[in-house]
This record gives sequence, C-alpha cells and structure tokens, in this order.
Amino acid sequence: EPEVTQTPSHQVTQMGQEVILRCVPISNHLYFYWYRQILGQKVEFLVSFYNNEISEKSEIFDDQFSVERPDGSNFTLKIRSTKLEDSAMYFCASSDGDYNQPQHFGDGTRLSIL
Amino acid sequence: ELKVEQNPLFLSMQEGKNYTIYCNYSTTSDRLYWYRQDPGKSLESLFVLLSNGAVKQEGRLMASLDTKARLSTLHITAAVHDLSATYFCAVDTNQAGTALIFGKGTTLSVSS
Repeated sequence: EPEVTQTPSHQVTQMGQEVILRCVPISNHLYFYWYRQILGQKVEFLVSFYNNEISEKSEIFDDQFSVERPDGSNFTLKIRSTKLEDSAMYFCASSDGDYNQPQHFGDGTRLSIL
Repeated sequence: ELKVEQNPLFLSMQEGKNYTIYCNYSTTSDRLYWYRQDPGKSLESLFVLLSNGAVKQEGRLMASLDTKARLSTLHITAAVHDLSATYFCAVDTNQAGTALIFGKGTTLSVSS
C-alpha cells in the first residue's frame, strides 16, 4: 500500500537554527498537509497545500514557517529560526481530495530544539 | 472556531468489557474521521463517516455519526489488549483538502 514517507525520523537542532523537514506524499495525491503534536497533546493543523500554493494555514503557521514543493515528489516544511517551543512531532499527510478517503499520515519527524 | 471535544480522555478497561468514546464538535460539518495512534507512532485511519446516521464497523470497533447532535461515538465491544492505544476523532470543514481539527484524544488501556 502506498505510504507517506518522512525524513529524518529525528532531528536535533540548536535554538535559532533553521531546520527543513521532508516528506514524500503518496504519488497520486493532490493535497498536502503539515500537522504537529507536542508530546502528550493533540494533533494540531499547521498548513495545507494544493496546486503549488498554500490553501489554508493556522495561526501557529507564522512567518517563521514556510512550505515548498521543490520538485514533483517532495514536500518540505522549513522553520527559519527555531524556538524551544517548536519541539514536537511533525506529521506530513496527503489526500486525493476524495471525501470518502482519509488523509494519510507519515510516521513523523521528532524535532528536538536544544 | 471549530472545536472538537472527546470524552473520556483516559479510559482503563478490563478485557471483555464494552465502552463508548464520545466526540462532540461545534460546527455543521458532515465529515468525521477516527484515527488510532500507538505510542510514538503515526496516525492510522480507522473510519470515515460522511453523513448523518452513518455507521461503520471493523472488528470490535463501531463508529457512528449524528450530524444533528454534532456527535460521533466509537463503541468498543469485548475489549482486548491489542486495542490499547490513543483514539482521535477529527472533523473537517466540508471542503476538499481542508484542515482536520482533532480532539484531544482518548487514551485507552485494556488490561486482563
């Protein structure tokens, strides 16, 4: 079964550094998403992306965050200047836009800011 | 602002018992999703509920949706240890490709 893949699985970064999280969505999917989950808490929406542009974003997704689809397969989340509170599990998801189908999630990247 | 509330947040069950997890949401969405998450793992889709009165069953789990009451339930029948996990409900805003808004999750622990 097709999967959403994310790299790296764990990223440790010094506060203030830039970090890029990578995702390869399912190949025939059109909608891409980033969510985050702070340890022990609920999953929070960050941003959705369709047709090479952001379609929706939450108030968490401020100017420090950006997303890009640099080629036909990758989808990235960049955090420009990381803060301690950015430490979380970041999940990428994708969907084909069919209401009958759920969003499919990757295994996540655990981001630890020191 | 769309809000999604689950209860209970923690549930300790004995094997063989039945229980129901409740998910209330605050807007008129017609689509609700249930996901399972094992510790340190990703979110696995369990059910997609698309209309009022929808009921779906998979093994010992059955989910239902009442859009008029803005309520979904996840019923567990004769619980087994393998069902121990965190269960999230999530609602979207009735447009393709929109955000999922998640509840806080219900952490289920099944013991013998």
